[in-house]
Amino acid sequence: GAGVSQSPRYKVTKRGQDVTLRCDPISSHATLYWYQQALGQGPEFLTYFNYEAQPDKSGLPSDRFSAERPEGSISTLTIQRTEQRDSAMYRCASSLAPTGYNEQFFGPGTRLTVL
Amino acid sequence: DQQVKQNSPSLSVQEGRISILNCDYTNSMFDYFLWYKKYPAEGPTFLISISSIKDKNEDGRFTVFLNKSAKHLSLHIVPSQPGDSAVYFCAASTFGNEKLTFGTGTRLTIIP
Repeated sequence: GAGVSQSPRYKVTKRGQDVTLRCDPISSHATLYWYQQALGQGPEFLTYFNYEAQPDKSGLPSDRFSAERPEGSISTLTIQRTEQRDSAMYRCASSLAPTGYNEQFFGPGTRLTVL
Repeated sequence: DQQVKQNSPSLSVQEGRISILNCDYTNSMFDYFLWYKKYPAEGPTFLISISSIKDKNEDGRFTVFLNKSAKHLSLHIVPSQPGDSAVYFCAASTFGNEKLTFGTGTRLTIIP
């Protein structure tokens, strides 16, 4: 596609529910990233994929968070048993190749609100 | 522990003048630095980058300066235009480590 797309753009859920967010990267891009951005802060790294491999998930805040990219293209981020502190903007980005010094292209984000 | 800091949450500059946005970092392993620009309701978009082997990189109206000894970088926009009004994020990474570490952002407002 022309850019990184994310869905849904907004998600409101009740505490304790599971949510799944989707990211569709730029089609030629090998590397995909997930970030969490709290209000007034910069994006914070959660995890990334090179194709379908997930070399680093050190930023995932707890085992309630998981991400997949089974075919090396679309990725999902799932938060189980959501808590109010999970409320944030979740941003996906992609880059061309799994080597350093590649600019990351960001999607518009999914705003998650946990009531 | 904030490894990348943008100490000015906001900045207002007259149209046509120079805008200077500052960023400091603490991790000496960072060797690649980027500036992203963000409009409301959109994701951050890449603006300009610099690797640690350089101390300056220019792209049109945008110049990034890197002072490794001071662990400081700055973005200069000359001349500033109304369309430059946005939030600017500084980010840093280490070669071989894919993640970007972002600052908290500076909201730039260009006054016509």
